Amino acid sequence: EAGVAQSPRYKIIEKRQSVAFWCNPISGHATLYWYQQILGQGPKLLIQFQNNGVVDDSQLPKDRFSAERLKGVDSTLKIQPAKLEDSAVYLCASSLASRQDTQYFGPGTRLTVL
Amino acid sequence: AQSVTQLGSHVSVSEGALVLLRCNYSSSVPPYLFWYVQYPNQGLQLLLKYTSAATLVKGINGFEAEFKKSETSFHLTKPSAHMSDAAEYFCAVSFRTGGGNKLTFGTGTQLKVEL
Repeated sequence: EAGVAQSPRYKIIEKRQSVAFWCNPISGHATLYWYQQILGQGPKLLIQFQNNGVVDDSQLPKDRFSAERLKGVDSTLKIQPAKLEDSAVYLCASSLASRQDTQYFGPGTRLTVL
Repeated sequence: AQSVTQLGSHVSVSEGALVLLRCNYSSSVPPYLFWYVQYPNQGLQLLLKYTSAATLVKGINGFEAEFKKSETSFHLTKPSAHMSDAAEYFCAVSFRTGGGNKLTFGTGTQLKVEL
């Protein structure tokens, strides 16, 4: 069974530029999550999708962050414009809708904002 | 609000020694509790989880954890450390909401295993 795929693995940009991350969840997983993991901290949930609908985006900085999951499969997370404090690893995870207690994580995208 | 506190950001043990990573939780409702492991440049992997069944939970790679409600703890243990156990470990708590399970992670404990 293929795991959660993310790309790119690494990205370096300058502040005020825009960036996008892509996630392909495990086949059949209706629930998809984006987490932000700042160095030295645990992951923090940014947004949760159920199919193509948003379940929880209470911690997403909506003035600069956006996410979509148009067809209920792949998802894209965008930052525009980026700030220095956005430097972090962005993790995507997925789960079955009926087993949301078991989330499977991708390898993450490490973003460095200069 | 729910939260977890991991005591000790760095733990060092000798190979073959007992591993004990501490986690205390705060939750106003019966929690689900998890331990994840993260190897360098990789995503998180679920080690074990407590979801209100047996209080002693066995996971992968010889790890286990015991849910102690009276102490609000969910400490992770392994009888004998191996070099391959060196990684960062995260404790997490969740409870079911109308929208599903929302995980709240601790700040992590870096485990170092020495010869």
